[in-house]
Amino acid sequence: NAGVTQTPKFQVLKTGQSMTLQCAQDMNHEYMSWYRQDPGMGLRLIHYSVGAGITDQGEVPNGYNVSRSTTEDFPLRLLSAAPSQTSVYFCASREGTGESPLHFGNGTRLTVT
Amino acid sequence: GEDVEQSLFLSVREGDSSVINCTYTDSSSTYLYWYKQEPGAGLQLLTYIFSNMDMKQDQRLTVLLNKKDKHLSLRIADTQTGDSAIYFCAEIRDTGRRALTFGSGTRLQVQP
Repeated sequence: NAGVTQTPKFQVLKTGQSMTLQCAQDMNHEYMSWYRQDPGMGLRLIHYSVGAGITDQGEVPNGYNVSRSTTEDFPLRLLSAAPSQTSVYFCASREGTGESPLHFGNGTRLTVT
Repeated sequence: GEDVEQSLFLSVREGDSSVINCTYTDSSSTYLYWYKQEPGAGLQLLTYIFSNMDMKQDQRLTVLLNKKDKHLSLRIADTQTGDSAIYFCAEIRDTGRRALTFGSGTRLQVQP
C-alpha cells in the first residue's frame, strides 16, 4: 500500500513564484490535512478537509489555498511564495472518525529564496 | 504548539530506559498520541491512549497518563540506537476541527 504520497520531495522557489504541493492517499480516508514543520515549533495545521468538496482553515492558513475535488487528492497551493514559507510540509490523512490516528506522508522540503 | 510542551532533548545509553515527558493544557482532550520522526521522514504513529485510561503498554513502550496533572509520558524500555529520533506528543481536542495539536518534539539520542 502506498499510503500517503507527497510530491515533490524537495523544491526551491524564488520569492513571488507560485507552486502546488501534491498529496494523494489510497486508503479512502475522508479527512486530509496539511501541516508545516518548523524547528522548535512542532507541527502547525495549515488547512484541512473532512471530505470531498469541503475545506477549512487551520492554525496558519495565510498564503495557502487548498481544494478537495476528489477523496484521494488534497493539493496545497502557494500563490506568491515568501521566505517565511520556507519549511517542511506534511500531508496527513485519517478515517472519518475524529479519534483514528493520522497517517503522514514523507514531507516536502520547500526553500523560498 | 504552545499548548503542548515537551523537553527538547534527551540522551540515554543503549540498554537503559528512556522517559519522554509531555504536558498539555486542554482538559477536554480525548485522545493523546505519541509519534516518532526519523531523519528525512514523516511522522510514524507509535501509540495512543484514550483519556479515560491511565496506562497502556505495547511491547517496549509504556504510556502513562496523569489526567489530573495533564501529564503524559512515554517510556521506552531497553532503548536501542534505532530508537534515536524525534518524538512528538499530540492531543486531539473535542472541537469542530478535531485536529491534532503537537508538541515541539523531543530529540532522543541513544549512545552506544
